[in-house]
Amino acid sequence: QKEVEQNSGPLSVPEGAIASLNCTYSDRGSQSFFWYRQYSGKSPELIMFIYSNGDKEDGRFTAQLNKASQYVSLLIRDSQPSDSATYLCANHRGGQNFVFGPGTRLSVLP
Amino acid sequence: GAVVSQHPSWVICKSGTSVKIECRSLDFQATTMFWYRQFPKQSLMLMATSNEGSKATYEQGVEKDKFLINHASLTLSTLTVTSAHPEDSSFYICSAIGRGLSGNTIYFGEGSWLTVV
Repeated sequence: QKEVEQNSGPLSVPEGAIASLNCTYSDRGSQSFFWYRQYSGKSPELIMFIYSNGDKEDGRFTAQLNKASQYVSLLIRDSQPSDSATYLCANHRGGQNFVFGPGTRLSVLP
Repeated sequence: GAVVSQHPSWVICKSGTSVKIECRSLDFQATTMFWYRQFPKQSLMLMATSNEGSKATYEQGVEKDKFLINHASLTLSTLTVTSAHPEDSSFYICSAIGRGLSGNTIYFGEGSWLTVV
């Protein structure tokens, strides 16, 4: 089992819909979780982090963490074509120990 | 957030030559930096972990004699691709651990496109 798993996609949603990106992890010792967005040909950029169970909202983005289920998700409300990118989930197990998932490609259709 | 800068953004070199890519943490000290390689439409692949003042730790399958990493200061790590070949053409990305609002956070450089002809 991979440490951080994501559906590779592509996930296609119509413009204006909610995009739901999911990530599961295997290490219960993970302390915090990050979502990065990577546009084609560019390096990843940090969108959000979350370390407490529950929801965390930032603009159109909501991160959800459920440590009991070892599950973290990212919701994008009112999806726009400019949100089309690969979304990477990462967890931090302390110190320099960061593990990235393979990423989910999101395509928002106009 | 913290800023990580990479240079050059893109480079073209002849087969057999060596190319150096720099990664700098601009407003924080980074004892640990990471180097990734990404081929088109593929996932990030961690190549090595670079620790200031010590030898880098390479991932399985990555040739340490071909991909030389030097982390001589708390703000600079370099990756040198030696005797480059066309199959080394890729997008190389560095990242560094910086202090974010949640504690340690990874920040990425802009990436460097390498084309070997």
